[in-house]
Amino acid sequence: AQSVTQLDSHVSVSEGTPVLLRCNYSSSYSPSLFWYVQHPNKGLQLLLKYTSAATLVKGINGFEAEFKKSETSFHLTKPSAHMSDAAEYFCVVSPTSGTYKYIFGTGTRLKVLA
Amino acid sequence: GAVVSQHPSRVICKSGTSVKIECRSLDFQATTMFWYRQFPKQSLMLMATSNEGSKATYEQGVEKDKFLINHASLTLSTLTVTSAHPEDSSFYICSATIAGGVNEQFFGPGTRLTVL
Repeated sequence: AQSVTQLDSHVSVSEGTPVLLRCNYSSSYSPSLFWYVQHPNKGLQLLLKYTSAATLVKGINGFEAEFKKSETSFHLTKPSAHMSDAAEYFCVVSPTSGTYKYIFGTGTRLKVLA
Repeated sequence: GAVVSQHPSRVICKSGTSVKIECRSLDFQATTMFWYRQFPKQSLMLMATSNEGSKATYEQGVEKDKFLINHASLTLSTLTVTSAHPEDSSFYICSATIAGGVNEQFFGPGTRLTVL
């Protein structure tokens, strides 16, 4: 069975400081992992994805994530937060074949302080 | 590429009426489409998975007679909320995967349903 845990429901950072959003997963086989961002009343935008290639994945808007199999983690980072980064972030795990069903984390709300 | 649209973006209806939401893949053929609902400040909850030309597979606890899903073509899926009630008010989001493509879902912008 697969599951994903986002360890923080809320994260607050000051503008210009680093961002760390934590995600741990559980999977009986090598999964695909994704980070999505959702702004209020909007759909989901893909930030980045891991599909068994390079373990350090670079995404859009300066975000990156590192797949660590030994720690079953896929934490999202950004060196310097911008006000426009304030949004809800979802970590997702999915099997690499079959139905491509997504298992969503509960989400982390990022607040960026001026 | 890989754009998914939803229509309408917002809808308000009276209790007891039915509402249809369309999900279209604009520039690709979608083997599979997914329907989610999202309550305020919560994560997305998968309602059903639909494959073109076959019956949708509903998640446990989702009433298939209330949430009718039709996937008549490789670019269109519809969700009809029948006899809507205020508790059906939610944000409904669809997604689609590319036929023969990689493991990734492409999401629509969502539909805000308010039932009075």
